[in-house]
This record gives sequence, C-alpha cells and structure tokens, in this order.
Amino acid sequence: NAGVTQTPKFQVLKTGQSMTLQCAQDMNHEYMSWYRQDPGMGLRLIHYSVGAGITDQGEVPNGYNVSRSTTEDFPLRLLSAAPSQTSVYFCASSPTGGLKQYFGPGTRLTVT
Amino acid sequence: AQSVAQPEDQVNVAEGNPLTVKCTYSVSGNPYLFWYVQYPNRGLQFLLKYITGDNLVKGSYGFEAEFNKSQTSFHLKKPSALVSDSALYFCAVRDGGNNRLAFGKGNQVVVIP
Repeated sequence: NAGVTQTPKFQVLKTGQSMTLQCAQDMNHEYMSWYRQDPGMGLRLIHYSVGAGITDQGEVPNGYNVSRSTTEDFPLRLLSAAPSQTSVYFCASSPTGGLKQYFGPGTRLTVT
Repeated sequence: AQSVAQPEDQVNVAEGNPLTVKCTYSVSGNPYLFWYVQYPNRGLQFLLKYITGDNLVKGSYGFEAEFNKSQTSFHLKKPSALVSDSALYFCAVRDGGNNRLAFGKGNQVVVIP
C-alpha cells in the first residue's frame, strides 16, 4: 500500500492564480480530510468527507473547494490564491468513524 | 465546538528522564482524544487514542497517556525519554457526536543527550 499520497510536494503561486492539490489513498478509507498547518496554530481543518459524494466544511473553509467523486481521491482547489493561503497542507484518511487518521507527506504552498 | 489547549510551546528534557506533554480539552459531549507526533518535514503519525474504558492508554514507541475527566486533561507521558523522541507533538479531540477533529497548536519536545 502506498498509503496517502499528495502532489505536488512544493508549489509557488502568484496571487489570483488557481490550482488543485491532489490527494489519493489506497486503503479504501471512507473518511478523508484536509488540514493546513501554520506556525503556532497547529493544524486547522479545512474540509472533510465521510464518503464519496459527501463533503462538509471544517474550521477554515473560505477560499477552498473540495469534491469527492471516488473513495480514493479528495482534491483541494484554490480558486484565487491569496498570500494568506501560504501554508503546509496535509491530507488525511481514516476508516469509517474517522478515528485513527493516516496523514500524507504534505504540500508546501507559497503564494506571492 | 471542541478545542484543545497545549500550554507549553517547548518541553526540554534530559535523555533518560521522564517526559510529560500536557493537554487539556473542551467538548460538549463525550471526548475522543488522540496524540500524534510529527518529525521534521513529515506528516503526522498516530501515537494513541482514548475512546472509552481504562483511563491509562498505551501507545506506540513506549508512550502512554492518562485521561482525567474531572480535570479535562489527557497528558502524554514516557518513563524514559530518548533523543529520537525529539519532535512536535499534537493533542487532538473529537466530540463523539461529530466527525470533526480539533488539534492543539503542538509542543516541540527536545531531548538533550
């Protein structure tokens, strides 16, 4: 099993550009989530999904969109990047119930 | 909404000494509590969880945590710290009635040889 994979590992965007952060898991987990990690603030939940076709907002959803068309994939879209979205983004998955989460290696995003 | 407080930014401990990382939580329902560890430039790794049952929970790499309902705490402990335990530690809580996990800001643990 590859576990949770994220691409790209690093990305630099200009303000106003759009992009999609990719996340995939091969463990047939129902629950998937996106977090951003900022110094001194820990991890904050952006969006999460409890299964294909079902998504919900987390603590900091503004400026981000998600969709879950398959169990395996959970992409995160930035429609118009802002410097405040400079962060490290982590995707995670877990079996039904969202208890023990498996994290991807992260994507470091810089918006200039 | 659920929340977690990790009051110390950094914990320094000598190798071989006991290690404690503090965590207090706030939830409206029954708490599900977790500890994760993050090594430099890596994703988070699960250490242990408390859902119900025995208040002392044992996890990976010799770590354990004690659930204290009256003090709303879930402190992480290790009897004898190793230099390789130096990392960032996160406490997290989930209200049993929802699917959202709230993380604390993290504690940097430095184990001094």
